[in-house]
Amino acid sequence: GENVEQHPSTLSVQEGDSAVIKCTYSDSASNYFPWYKQELGKRPQLIIDIRSNVGEKKDQRIAVTLNKTAKHFSLHITETQPEDSAVYFCAASMATGNQFYFGTGTSLTVIP
Amino acid sequence: SAVISQKPSRDICQRGTSLTIQCQVDSQVTMMFWYRQQPGQSLTLIATANQGSEATYESGFVIDKFPISRPNLTFSTLTVSNMSPEDSSIYLCSVGWTSGIDNEQFFGPGTRLTVL
Repeated sequence: GENVEQHPSTLSVQEGDSAVIKCTYSDSASNYFPWYKQELGKRPQLIIDIRSNVGEKKDQRIAVTLNKTAKHFSLHITETQPEDSAVYFCAASMATGNQFYFGTGTSLTVIP
Repeated sequence: SAVISQKPSRDICQRGTSLTIQCQVDSQVTMMFWYRQQPGQSLTLIATANQGSEATYESGFVIDKFPISRPNLTFSTLTVSNMSPEDSSIYLCSVGWTSGIDNEQFFGPGTRLTVL
């Protein structure tokens, strides 16, 4: 089955700096890669996703890049703000409607 | 997206008992999944709830321990049977649609279970 690894497990940045979280996956058949943000005590929320026919996707301060050859994808948050503090999970999925395989999570702290 | 609710939101149970968690969606969805999230951990898929047929379980999860029902396209239940303290966790349902290449999944608010 698919194996998703995520690094780092914790990340602290100063407000205004950038944050980068990286994930690798094992199965080349995976073709959909979402990122979820989970604030303390709340449900995971989808913040951005990318499909294997695209190399990069951007939404305001958030961007995701995908390298299919190397089987890794990354989340980039620019101009970080304290409200970006949360746990971020990457995931990989192999087909429409199929199950997600989640990374282990990154706890991001933005220091004001 | 959809409005997803879960009942109960939290419960404290005695070991050896069973708890049934409900997941309700305000619109018809193709896919429904059940996840477990232990404190400070990632999300682990328990099973895919199939409408009109038996759920598909992931490795390490069995039907006798986690029976699942999905009678229609808007509702599913997960039962945690013969509970032990190791079952203390947050249980989340998620929903998705098979539409073209769309894969998005959206999560319910979760059920926080504590087993004494």
